[in-house]
Amino acid sequence: GAGVSQSPSNKVTEKGKDVELRCDPISGHTALYWYRQSLGQGLEFLIYFQGNSAPDKSGLPSDRFSAERTGGSVSTLTIQRTQQEDSAVYLCASSLGSGGVYEQYFGPGTRLTVT
Amino acid sequence: EDKVVQSPLSLVVHEGDTVTLNCSYEVTNFRSLLWYKQEKKAPTFLFMLTSSGIEKKSGRLSSILDKKELFSILNITATQTGDSAVYLCAPNTNAGKSTFGDGTTLTVKP
Repeated sequence: GAGVSQSPSNKVTEKGKDVELRCDPISGHTALYWYRQSLGQGLEFLIYFQGNSAPDKSGLPSDRFSAERTGGSVSTLTIQRTQQEDSAVYLCASSLGSGGVYEQYFGPGTRLTVT
Repeated sequence: EDKVVQSPLSLVVHEGDTVTLNCSYEVTNFRSLLWYKQEKKAPTFLFMLTSSGIEKKSGRLSSILDKKELFSILNITATQTGDSAVYLCAPNTNAGKSTFGDGTTLTVKP
């Protein structure tokens, strides 16, 4: 079956521009996560969607970052007025449910470079 | 604030060696701890631990959790070059939120 897909795989943008990153989770997975990973670092939690509940946005680093999940499936992470420190790999993951007892399946990531 | 510390940060061994990777955590509303292997981009799931003292095993890999002392270990026996990767530890809350450690980079030399 299809895994988690993300697009684009690579994105180079100029400082100050807006970018949108897309995530298609595994069909039937109700939970969706966004993480950011800088070189040599672990995964930094950004935001978590679970079903129809309000998302946990506690990891978003600034108000330039936002995310939505339409129809309980596809999610878009938007970064406005990009800065060089936003350069990183953005990983999306989905899981069958929540409650802390489901493993996450990760997409291949989007490598964002802000010049 | 939830905290996860993995040690060592990096490790270089030769094929056939046994390694032990450590993960200590401080997480509010802890529910489970997961281990992932990251070779290139996407981490892949290894183990989920929810109870103390029960070893999970898969081939040459095994893991155990101590909920009293707030740590977990991942053991790899008879290491192979294909085990070279970053190993990530991620405790989960009962709301499903994961906090990842910075990982241990394992390099296995032939």
